[in-house]
Amino acid sequence: DSGVTQTPKHLITATGQRVTLRCSPRSGDLSVYWYQQSLDQGLQFLIQYYNGEERAKGNILERFSAQQFPDLHSELNLSSLELGDSALYFCASSADPGQGPGDTQYFGPGTRLTVL
Amino acid sequence: AQSVTQPDIHITVSEGASLELRCNYSYGATPYLFWYVQSPGQGLQLLLKYFSGDTLVQGIKGFEAEFKRSQSSFNLRKPSVHWSDAAEYFCAVGRNTGGFKTIFGAGTRLFVKA
Repeated sequence: DSGVTQTPKHLITATGQRVTLRCSPRSGDLSVYWYQQSLDQGLQFLIQYYNGEERAKGNILERFSAQQFPDLHSELNLSSLELGDSALYFCASSADPGQGPGDTQYFGPGTRLTVL
Repeated sequence: AQSVTQPDIHITVSEGASLELRCNYSYGATPYLFWYVQSPGQGLQLLLKYFSGDTLVQGIKGFEAEFKRSQSSFNLRKPSVHWSDAAEYFCAVGRNTGGFKTIFGAGTRLFVKA
């Protein structure tokens, strides 16, 4: 158990809909990262927040957005869903905004999103 | 642009045999390099990482990796594989940008036969 929790575990929805994925980081971690894992794109970094502020952005679509709340949990919002958005969405947390030899990203178990 | 190549989609080794998983990267500066493992239905777990210094890095579960700048490689090794090592392995490169961006390879699935 990494200490990172994600809800829900599974989500099935229809095209055009909007969903929210939730992530609670490990106790004491201020950074939250979101990743997408799909069969055709592999593992891709989406976005990172540190203590409530966006810190790094990857291949995140404009239809997707994220935020980190004062209690440090984070939500990833996916809207106007398409079939191709079906994937496993991981959240990870770490202590620092960047990575150093002493810092590690801990991954949650993921949310499997299926868009029908 | 940064990229990570894992040339082997899957590898099968016998239990007790040695293992080497290949990873090549493309990066403009000294990279931060990682190996992660993903067991079925699980998230990723960090095996080891290289930031600087000694080019032979020891990790968890008996794994090690060697950074070779001249070959742009960061291959993962284990002297004796156990059945529980069957999983998918991802090589990754990252860089600090005020935050931290990670680029993953496509992964190598390891099968272990008895």
